[in-house]
Amino acid sequence: AQSVTQPDIHITVSEGASLELRCNYSYGATPYLFWYVQSPGQGLQLLLKYFSGDTLVQGIKGFEAEFKRSQSSFNLRKPSVHWSDAAEYFCAVDLGSQGNLIFGKGTKLSVKP
Amino acid sequence: ETGVTQTPRHLVMGMTNKKSLKCEQHLGHNAMYWYKQSAKKPLELMFVYNFKEQTENNSVPSRFSPECPNSSHLFLHLHTLQPEDSALYLCASSIRRPRRHEQYFGPGTRLTVT
Repeated sequence: AQSVTQPDIHITVSEGASLELRCNYSYGATPYLFWYVQSPGQGLQLLLKYFSGDTLVQGIKGFEAEFKRSQSSFNLRKPSVHWSDAAEYFCAVDLGSQGNLIFGKGTKLSVKP
Repeated sequence: ETGVTQTPRHLVMGMTNKKSLKCEQHLGHNAMYWYKQSAKKPLELMFVYNFKEQTENNSVPSRFSPECPNSSHLFLHLHTLQPEDSALYLCASSIRRPRRHEQYFGPGTRLTVT
């Protein structure tokens, strides 16, 4: 069955440090890929998306992600984390013509001052 | 109003009550979705509507009843809920045709069943 794995449940980084959140998917073809962020008590905000083309995609708030077909991965990165980045991050995959998303379980990011 | 809005933001209901959640999208999209987000599970897709027609029902109990009167509005009617139905209910919308696009989410309704 198709699945999305975010292996890190909780990550803590210092403000100003770099960040990488991991996402792996299980699917035969190249899906559409997304990263969303959710602040406490809020809905999900789209950070970035990959449909095709350049495998390094830029998003909002200084985030980027790289699609690696050989590793079935779509990791999220940010060179310098700000305290306001503390939130939960979800990787999602759109598998096909139905356009339905499958989400990972999320990674909660804490930022130390 | 812009984006996707949901009302109410918080709802407490007894197991014998009937209530409705409302979602409205101001983005000109043609597909709408209901998701359930509970503490111990990933986001679960409940219902999908394309052009007002329900195209997916992910084995959701009948105590949840969706309604999509037009492409901008989506309701989730609730009755005789169980405590395990307490969760954050998220609405989303997107363009489904002619091509798939990303989904945009509302802020959610926090539901507590007592």
